[in-house]
Amino acid sequence: KAGVTQTPRYLIKTRGQQVTLSCSPISGHRSVSWYQQTPGQGLQFLFEYFSETQRNKGNFPGRFSGRQFSNSRSEMNVSTLELGDSALYLCASSPRTGTNTEAFFGQGTRLTVV
Amino acid sequence: DAKTTQPPSMDCAEGRAANLPCNHSTISGNEYVYWYRQIHSQGPQYIIHGLKNNETNEMASLIITEDRKSSTLILPHATLRDTAVYYCIVRVGSGNTGKLIFGQGTTLQVKP
Repeated sequence: KAGVTQTPRYLIKTRGQQVTLSCSPISGHRSVSWYQQTPGQGLQFLFEYFSETQRNKGNFPGRFSGRQFSNSRSEMNVSTLELGDSALYLCASSPRTGTNTEAFFGQGTRLTVV
Repeated sequence: DAKTTQPPSMDCAEGRAANLPCNHSTISGNEYVYWYRQIHSQGPQYIIHGLKNNETNEMASLIITEDRKSSTLILPHATLRDTAVYYCIVRVGSGNTGKLIFGQGTTLQVKP
């Protein structure tokens, strides 16, 4: 079974631009979550989607948004990029939602804002 | 804020058991304890999770105290490839949501 696929793996953007990251979950998984990892803040929860609905959102500004499609694939968008948005963005998929379900992470998208 | 506390670093000799402790004194009744590890800047790898009973799988064992305020991850025979940052996490949520709250983790160095 294929794992979680994130595209692109690496991205360089300029301040003020916007970016869209993509995540394809494991086949059959319906829950997708996004996390941001930086050296200073560590791994932080961004949002969680299940059945095309946002179930939970972390403490990030409105510039960060996401969505989930009917095939469970998910995208996240960051608008008006800032230097501090440089990070590893990780997507995790789970077969279901709730607190008793494993989450499997992709390899991440490394975003650099210059 | 993270609901777990872990030592920042630990060493272990290759072939010996690695015992990684974690405190989660504010854990709630329906919150599960998860362990992940991360090697370099790869995505975190799921290891094991549990609620109150001890759990074992092909990678590790998870021992949770009766009061659920702490737990220990045991890697029975550590190898050099087990060198990584290990995160003890409480999965917070309910029946229809569950987010992982990561702390700073423990850097485990397995030495020859």
